[in-house]
Amino acid sequence: DQQVKQNSPSLSVQEGRISILNCDYTNSMFDYFLWYKKYPAEGPTFLISISSIKDKNEDGRFTVFLNKSAKHLSLHIVPSQPGDSAVYFCAASAWGTGNQFYFGTGTSLTVIP
Amino acid sequence: DAGITQSPRHKVTETGTPVTLRCHQTENHRYMYWYRQDPGHGLRLIHYSYGVKDTDKGEVSDGYSVSRSKTEDFLLTLESATSSQTSVYFCAIRSGTGRNEKLFFGSGTQLSVL
Repeated sequence: DQQVKQNSPSLSVQEGRISILNCDYTNSMFDYFLWYKKYPAEGPTFLISISSIKDKNEDGRFTVFLNKSAKHLSLHIVPSQPGDSAVYFCAASAWGTGNQFYFGTGTSLTVIP
Repeated sequence: DAGITQSPRHKVTETGTPVTLRCHQTENHRYMYWYRQDPGHGLRLIHYSYGVKDTDKGEVSDGYSVSRSKTEDFLLTLESATSSQTSVYFCAIRSGTGRNEKLFFGSGTQLSVL
């Protein structure tokens, strides 16, 4: 059973606008969340993370929001650039539960010039 | 770049043959992972290791075995490959401590089982 879900397989956004990628999780023990970006024929690369003690973390154009009560997190990219076109995976882990990271199914973002 | 090398990068094999994928790291990380990526499933954990000779199963471990005889090498073996094991396989290492940890991935191995 998928514990981390990304319900939008794809998203298209105009260059310069905001991209919002969503992720839901079911395991209330998850306390650390990450976003990864993946280009074709490459491995995923770390983008940004957030601990459950925070509800927001920002790094340049990328901001992750965490809503623990809704078990929901989102990644905002502002402004979106064509180079942001990639597949984005969210991931979650629970401290002290086997050192596993659980990944979502991914959202393919296309930024249209 | 976390010093992770996966080999081979591409492999085509026949059903029923054994296949071994290799992951090599140069930075002495304790934790290493094998994931597979499939459309509609994202990244799923196959096995992971928390030290030499210390390994554990992930969510999709059936049909796979692993070995870690040296800190730097983590091998994934398909004892008898099946078409359902056609996938892209990623090795990862875990770096950082506490809630600052993250996974760094290799470039992947594209495996086709015919």
